[in-house]
Amino acid sequence: QVQLVESGGGLVEPGGSLRLSCVASGFTFSDYYMYWIRQAPGKGLEWISYISGNSDATNHADSVKGRFTTSRDNAKNSLYLQMNSLRGEDTAVYYCAKRQSAATPGYWGQGTLVTVSS
Amino acid sequence: SALTQPPSASGSPGQSVTISCTGTSSDVGGYNYVSWYQQHPGKAPKLMIYEVNKRPSGVPDRFSGSKSGNTASLTVSGLQAEDEADYYCGSFAGHNNLGVFGGGTKLTVL
Repeated sequence: QVQLVESGGGLVEPGGSLRLSCVASGFTFSDYYMYWIRQAPGKGLEWISYISGNSDATNHADSVKGRFTTSRDNAKNSLYLQMNSLRGEDTAVYYCAKRQSAATPGYWGQGTLVTVSS
Repeated sequence: SALTQPPSASGSPGQSVTISCTGTSSDVGGYNYVSWYQQHPGKAPKLMIYEVNKRPSGVPDRFSGSKSGNTASLTVSGLQAEDEADYYCGSFAGHNNLGVFGGGTKLTVL
């Protein structure tokens, strides 16, 4: 069965950096677009990024463009989100997800909490 | 821009409830890639409907989706206590674009 397990969240000061990881299993990882989606406390869902199976296509939300970078290592079945210049408004649970259909996350990880605070 | 959902909806056990999701011709109205997600408190979202009206394996047929113009709808029939959750709609918004989500609807089973 499909499993997605995120890690790397935690408390970081404004201006700091974090790298989130998502390890996938139960499907051919390299065949699928993967997504990062976040949810601020008590708020709705927000698209962060997508990356194609062979990494030739990526896109990031305007709110994180130039600060966050999405990458993957298909040999390790792993998805990454490098987050730099973190701000308070980046505080959220970050989910990785596997594409079901166009802009449709079919399977979600359990999420990892990122808290940006001094 | 985010899709528009009512903040709340409610119904009694056994009844049906419909949640709307309004977008534009650039997202909901332009493509048959509308999806719906159920989220219980403290849990990850779960895909309930994709491509307007398709149900993933394991999702009860009490959940159904439809679309008319720029508005999509999720109908939950035969409401059960475990259906109480937040529901989000989502849509494709064109190639090379990220998707878009609605603000969420809190469904209460009375």
